[in-house]
Amino acid sequence: SAVISQKPSRDICQRGTSLTIQCQVDSQVTMMFWYRQQPGQSLTLIATANQGSEATYESGFVIDKFPISRPNLTFSTLTVSNMSPEDSSIYLCSVGAIDSPSLQFFGPGTRLTVL
Amino acid sequence: SQQGEEDPQALSIQEGENATMNCSYKTSINNLQWYRQNSGRGLVHLILIRSNEREKHSGRLRVTLDTSKKSSSLLITASRAADTASYFCATAAQYNFNKFYFGSGTKLNVKP
Repeated sequence: SAVISQKPSRDICQRGTSLTIQCQVDSQVTMMFWYRQQPGQSLTLIATANQGSEATYESGFVIDKFPISRPNLTFSTLTVSNMSPEDSSIYLCSVGAIDSPSLQFFGPGTRLTVL
Repeated sequence: SQQGEEDPQALSIQEGENATMNCSYKTSINNLQWYRQNSGRGLVHLILIRSNEREKHSGRLRVTLDTSKKSSSLLITASRAADTASYFCATAAQYNFNKFYFGSGTKLNVKP
């Protein structure tokens, strides 16, 4: 299984500011994903981070609010822009397993609180 | 939406007892997976069951899948306090198995 790290692990931010979350994998992976988990809720897929091209966003999520970069096969960033308290969530990245595309491994998450 | 429901939403049992959680989903799937999440941290993969399988075991875990009823269950036998966590099922769409849909989750509390 892949080892995934996220930075920061948590942050408290003021409304109107932006935060960039980093996701680093210890091996090259094809598929990387970003999820949001609002307080007490389940996970919702934000987007698929595509290496070398624009991310593919799910319904309800837009690039202006959640710009994503994927410069190589081991790294991705998610920016939460112009934050409001409703953006307070845990943000998780995941990667698809090399030998089993339908299996995903998750990072430890970034807990974001917006005041 | 393919996102399903899990029940119960919360479950509190004594150590040593068995815990059963159920998951329902809405559309055809490629596979169904169960994950554990401790205290709002990252998810740990527990077990994957494919759409052509009916039952799978892994240690103290037993998963069943009924595609005709679009439902799955996770049984944890001889529970331990360390099993206290939230448990989520996730389905991979039949023709896009990279896309996961998570259930609402069951919060399990195992009392020592």
